[in-house]
Amino acid sequence: DTAVSQTPKYLVTQMGNDKSIKCEQNLGHDTMYWYKQDSKKFLKIMFSYNNKELIINETVPNRFSPKSPDKAHLNLHINSLELGDSAVYFCASSQVPLNTEAFFGQGTRLTVV
Amino acid sequence: AQKITQTQPGMFVQEKEAVTLDCTYDTSDPSYGLFWYKQPSSGEMIFLIYQGSYDQQNATEGRYSLNFQKARKSANLVISASQLGDSAMYFCAMREGLMKTSYDKVIFGPGTSLSVIP
Repeated sequence: DTAVSQTPKYLVTQMGNDKSIKCEQNLGHDTMYWYKQDSKKFLKIMFSYNNKELIINETVPNRFSPKSPDKAHLNLHINSLELGDSAVYFCASSQVPLNTEAFFGQGTRLTVV
Repeated sequence: AQKITQTQPGMFVQEKEAVTLDCTYDTSDPSYGLFWYKQPSSGEMIFLIYQGSYDQQNATEGRYSLNFQKARKSANLVISASQLGDSAMYFCAMREGLMKTSYDKVIFGPGTSLSVIP
Protein backbone atom coordinates (compact mmCIF):
# COMPACT_ATOMS: atom_id res chain seq x y z
CA ASP A 1 0.00 0.00 0.00
CA THR A 2 1.50 3.29 -1.10
CA ALA A 3 1.12 5.93 1.59
CA VAL A 4 1.52 9.00 -0.63
CA SER A 5 1.11 8.46 -4.33
CA GLN A 6 1.49 11.01 -7.06
CA THR A 7 0.99 10.71 -10.77
CA PRO A 8 2.49 10.87 -13.25
CA LYS A 9 6.07 9.98 -12.37
CA TYR A 10 7.41 11.60 -15.52
CA LEU A 11 5.92 14.45 -17.49
CA VAL A 12 7.43 15.92 -20.64
CA THR A 13 5.56 18.79 -22.22
CA GLN A 14 6.02 21.84 -24.39
CA MET A 15 6.24 25.43 -23.24
CA GLY A 16 2.88 27.11 -22.94
CA ASN A 17 0.96 23.94 -22.15
CA ASP A 18 -1.17 23.37 -19.05
CA LYS A 19 -0.59 20.26 -16.97
CA SER A 20 -1.70 18.70 -13.70
CA ILE A 21 -0.02 16.47 -11.15
CA LYS A 22 -2.21 14.45 -8.83
CA CYS A 23 -1.47 13.44 -5.25
CA GLU A 24 -3.32 11.20 -2.85
CA GLN A 25 -2.47 10.06 0.65
CA ASN A 26 -4.09 7.18 2.51
CA LEU A 27 -2.57 7.98 5.91
CA GLY A 28 -5.43 10.07 7.24
CA HIS A 29 -3.12 13.08 7.57
CA ASP A 30 -4.54 16.57 7.91
CA THR A 31 -1.75 18.42 6.16
CA MET A 32 -0.45 18.08 2.63
CA TYR A 33 2.34 19.91 0.84
CA TRP A 34 3.87 20.51 -2.53
CA TYR A 35 7.62 20.89 -2.82
CA LYS A 36 9.76 21.76 -5.82
CA GLN A 37 13.25 20.26 -6.10
CA ASP A 38 15.45 22.10 -8.56
CA SER A 39 18.43 20.84 -10.51
CA LYS A 40 20.71 21.57 -7.55
CA LYS A 41 18.55 19.31 -5.38
CA PHE A 42 17.26 22.20 -3.30
CA LEU A 43 13.82 21.42 -1.86
CA LYS A 44 11.56 24.43 -1.59
CA ILE A 45 8.07 24.36 -0.17
CA MET A 46 5.42 25.71 -2.51
CA PHE A 47 2.11 25.13 -0.77
CA SER A 48 0.72 23.70 2.41
CA TYR A 49 -2.89 22.67 2.94
CA ASN A 50 -4.52 21.74 6.22
CA ASN A 51 -7.92 20.06 6.00
CA LYS A 52 -8.46 21.39 2.48
CA GLU A 53 -7.57 24.93 3.53
CA LEU A 54 -4.57 26.73 2.03
CA ILE A 55 -2.15 27.58 4.84
CA ILE A 56 1.03 28.50 3.04
CA ASN A 57 1.69 29.88 -0.40
CA GLU A 58 5.39 30.53 -0.69
CA THR A 59 5.53 33.25 -3.36
CA VAL A 60 4.78 30.81 -6.11
CA PRO A 61 3.71 32.30 -9.47
CA ASN A 62 -0.04 32.28 -9.84
CA ARG A 63 0.35 29.97 -12.84
CA PHE A 64 0.56 27.29 -10.15
CA SER A 65 -2.77 26.49 -8.59
CA PRO A 66 -3.21 23.78 -5.98
CA LYS A 67 -6.60 22.17 -5.52
CA SER A 68 -7.67 20.07 -2.58
CA PRO A 69 -11.04 18.41 -3.17
CA ASP A 70 -10.75 16.59 0.15
CA LYS A 71 -8.08 16.19 2.79
CA ALA A 72 -6.69 13.06 1.13
CA HIS A 73 -6.01 14.76 -2.19
CA LEU A 74 -3.90 17.72 -3.22
CA ASN A 75 -3.47 18.28 -6.92
CA LEU A 76 -1.20 20.78 -8.61
CA HIS A 77 -2.22 22.48 -11.82
CA ILE A 78 0.29 24.50 -13.79
CA ASN A 79 -0.74 26.90 -16.54
CA SER A 80 1.40 28.22 -19.37
CA LEU A 81 4.41 26.10 -18.54
CA GLU A 82 7.83 27.71 -18.80
CA LEU A 83 11.29 26.20 -19.18
CA GLY A 84 12.12 27.20 -15.60
CA ASP A 85 9.31 25.04 -14.30
CA SER A 86 11.37 21.95 -15.12
CA ALA A 87 12.04 20.26 -11.80
CA VAL A 88 10.98 17.36 -9.62
CA TYR A 89 7.76 18.06 -7.75
CA PHE A 90 7.11 16.22 -4.52
CA CYS A 91 3.84 15.84 -2.73
CA ALA A 92 4.01 15.12 1.01
CA SER A 93 1.70 14.78 3.97
CA SER A 94 2.01 14.93 7.74
CA GLN A 95 0.04 15.12 10.93
CA VAL A 96 -0.09 18.14 13.21
CA PRO A 97 2.03 16.84 16.12
CA LEU A 98 5.60 17.99 15.63
CA ASN A 99 7.12 14.60 16.26
CA THR A 100 5.74 13.12 13.09
CA GLU A 101 7.68 13.11 9.91
CA ALA A 102 6.39 14.17 6.55
CA PHE A 103 5.77 11.28 4.16
CA PHE A 104 6.72 11.94 0.57
CA GLY A 105 5.41 10.71 -2.73
CA GLN A 106 7.82 9.34 -5.29
CA GLY A 107 8.13 12.67 -7.08
CA THR A 108 7.11 13.84 -10.55
CA ARG A 109 9.92 14.79 -12.89
CA LEU A 110 8.56 17.59 -15.06
CA THR A 111 10.52 18.52 -18.17
CA VAL A 112 9.40 21.51 -20.19
CA VAL A 113 10.82 21.65 -23.72
CA ALA B 1 17.43 34.18 5.77
CA GLN B 2 18.51 30.56 5.53
CA LYS B 3 16.88 28.63 8.32
CA ILE B 4 18.73 25.36 7.79
CA THR B 5 22.42 25.28 6.90
CA GLN B 6 24.33 22.26 5.73
CA THR B 7 27.88 23.41 5.10
CA GLN B 8 29.16 20.22 3.44
CA PRO B 9 27.93 20.02 -0.15
CA GLY B 10 29.79 16.73 -0.63
CA MET B 11 31.38 14.17 1.66
CA PHE B 12 33.34 10.97 1.16
CA VAL B 13 33.66 8.16 3.68
CA GLN B 14 35.34 4.78 3.61
CA GLU B 15 33.04 1.81 3.91
CA LYS B 16 32.59 0.64 7.53
CA GLU B 17 33.71 3.97 8.95
CA ALA B 18 31.52 6.50 10.74
CA VAL B 19 30.63 9.86 9.21
CA THR B 20 29.05 13.03 10.59
CA LEU B 21 26.88 15.27 8.45
CA ASP B 22 26.52 18.79 9.79
CA CYS B 23 23.31 20.73 10.21
CA THR B 24 22.67 24.04 11.92
CA TYR B 25 19.29 25.71 12.16
CA ASP B 26 17.79 29.03 13.07
CA THR B 27 14.50 29.52 14.86
CA SER B 28 13.02 31.69 17.57
CA ASP B 29 10.27 29.17 18.21
CA PRO B 30 10.91 27.18 21.42
CA SER B 31 8.99 24.23 20.04
CA TYR B 32 10.33 22.57 16.93
CA GLY B 33 11.24 19.25 15.40
CA LEU B 34 14.32 18.32 13.45
CA PHE B 35 14.41 15.59 10.81
CA TRP B 36 16.90 13.93 8.57
CA TYR B 37 15.94 12.49 5.21
CA LYS B 38 17.91 10.42 2.73
CA GLN B 39 17.43 10.73 -1.01
CA PRO B 40 19.16 7.99 -3.01
CA SER B 41 19.76 8.33 -6.73
CA SER B 42 16.37 6.73 -7.36
CA GLY B 43 14.83 9.95 -6.06
CA GLU B 44 12.53 8.98 -3.21
CA MET B 45 12.68 10.78 0.12
CA ILE B 46 13.32 8.41 3.02
CA PHE B 47 12.80 9.54 6.60
CA LEU B 48 15.71 8.58 8.87
CA ILE B 49 15.46 10.15 12.29
CA TYR B 50 13.64 12.76 14.35
CA GLN B 51 14.69 14.98 17.28
CA GLY B 52 12.29 17.17 19.23
CA SER B 53 13.40 20.45 20.76
CA TYR B 54 12.36 19.28 24.23
CA ASP B 55 13.89 15.83 23.96
CA GLN B 56 16.54 15.32 26.62
CA GLN B 57 18.26 12.45 24.89
CA ASN B 58 19.83 12.36 21.46
CA ALA B 59 17.75 10.35 19.01
CA THR B 60 19.04 7.05 17.66
CA GLU B 61 17.67 4.75 14.97
CA GLY B 62 19.84 1.77 14.18
CA ARG B 63 23.05 3.05 12.60
CA TYR B 64 21.79 6.63 12.66
CA SER B 65 22.14 8.95 15.60
CA LEU B 66 21.52 12.64 15.95
CA ASN B 67 24.01 14.77 17.86
CA PHE B 68 21.68 17.47 19.14
CA GLN B 69 23.30 20.55 20.66
CA LYS B 70 20.45 22.90 21.39
CA ALA B 71 22.47 25.88 22.59
CA ARG B 72 24.53 25.78 19.41
CA LYS B 73 21.44 25.08 17.30
CA SER B 74 23.05 22.11 15.65
CA ALA B 75 21.62 18.71 14.81
CA ASN B 76 24.33 16.65 13.18
CA LEU B 77 23.61 13.22 11.76
CA VAL B 78 26.06 10.45 12.59
CA ILE B 79 26.06 7.33 10.46
CA SER B 80 28.04 4.50 11.96
CA ALA B 81 29.60 1.65 9.99
CA SER B 82 28.91 3.19 6.57
CA GLN B 83 27.64 0.92 3.83
CA LEU B 84 27.74 1.36 0.07
CA GLY B 85 23.98 1.77 0.12
CA ASP B 86 24.38 4.89 2.26
CA SER B 87 25.60 6.82 -0.79
CA ALA B 88 22.88 9.43 -1.27
CA MET B 89 21.84 13.03 -0.65
CA TYR B 90 21.04 13.76 2.97
CA PHE B 91 18.71 16.56 3.98
CA CYS B 92 18.28 18.16 7.35
CA ALA B 93 14.81 19.61 7.92
CA MET B 94 12.90 21.54 10.56
CA ARG B 95 9.30 21.95 11.56
CA GLU B 96 8.42 24.84 13.87
CA GLY B 97 5.66 24.58 16.42
CA LEU B 98 3.94 27.47 17.99
CA MET B 99 3.67 30.13 15.34
CA LYS B 100 0.57 29.37 13.33
CA THR B 101 2.04 30.65 10.10
CA SER B 102 4.94 28.25 10.45
CA TYR B 103 3.55 25.13 12.00
CA ASP B 104 2.36 23.55 8.82
CA LYS B 105 5.56 23.41 6.86
CA VAL B 106 8.74 21.42 6.92
CA ILE B 107 11.71 23.38 5.60
CA PHE B 108 14.81 21.74 4.24
CA GLY B 109 18.50 22.48 4.14
CA PRO B 110 20.44 22.39 0.86
CA GLY B 111 21.59 18.82 1.40
CA THR B 112 24.89 16.96 1.62
CA SER B 113 25.91 14.42 -0.99
CA LEU B 114 27.53 11.43 0.70
CA SER B 115 29.64 8.97 -1.24
CA VAL B 116 30.75 5.75 0.42
CA ILE B 117 33.99 4.38 -0.98
CA PRO B 118 34.60 0.62 -0.98
